[in-house]
Amino acid sequence: LAKTTQPISMDSYEGQEVNITCSHNNIATNDYITWYQQFPSQGPRFIIQGYKTKVTNEVASLFIPADRKSSTLSLPRVSLSDTAVYYCLVGTPRDTGRRALTFGSGTRLQVQP
Amino acid sequence: DVKVTQSSRYLVKRTGEKVFLECVQDMDHENMFWYRQDPGLGLRLIYFSYDVKMKEKGDIPEGYSVSREKKERFSLILESASTNQTSMYLCASITSGGGTDTQYFGPGTRLTVL
Repeated sequence: LAKTTQPISMDSYEGQEVNITCSHNNIATNDYITWYQQFPSQGPRFIIQGYKTKVTNEVASLFIPADRKSSTLSLPRVSLSDTAVYYCLVGTPRDTGRRALTFGSGTRLQVQP
Repeated sequence: DVKVTQSSRYLVKRTGEKVFLECVQDMDHENMFWYRQDPGLGLRLIYFSYDVKMKEKGDIPEGYSVSREKKERFSLILESASTNQTSMYLCASITSGGGTDTQYFGPGTRLTVL
């Protein structure tokens, strides 16, 4: 299983760009990376997913370098409502014959006014 | 939107009791997961099911079993609850495509075993 490591917490201010990095040194060739957001007393919510290079959607961007040993979630111009815990997940595709999912311990992002 | 519901938000049980946690999804997904979430440990996969009556162990299946009699419902069973099973339990229903999974989580059940 690809073990993931994230910073425990980060602080930011409204309007700033926030980058949260996840390390996954032993990621396998076909593994993919997904990021989730979790608010207190709720289940995690999907943010973005990718295999390599850069993926962007209406909420965030995901940067994955060529060696894929890390990935960075980028949140543009955060607001107070982005205060949450962000999880990095490395998943093994089902067609490899084995399904494995490894969540990181999460990064608690606190956005200040 | 995918809707995943869990039978209880909060549950208090005694050691040795049999506990059923139920999860229902409304999107006809084949794949469903059960996790537990503990402070400092993140989410850990207990069991998953990829079809009716099909199940596979996740990373921490000990002390748990599951049931999937209908596609929309995935139950987690604690045969004899113990205090170390006090935790937040999260169910996820999964959309799969292109080899990857996207998970839709329920609100969670906070179980306390006394």
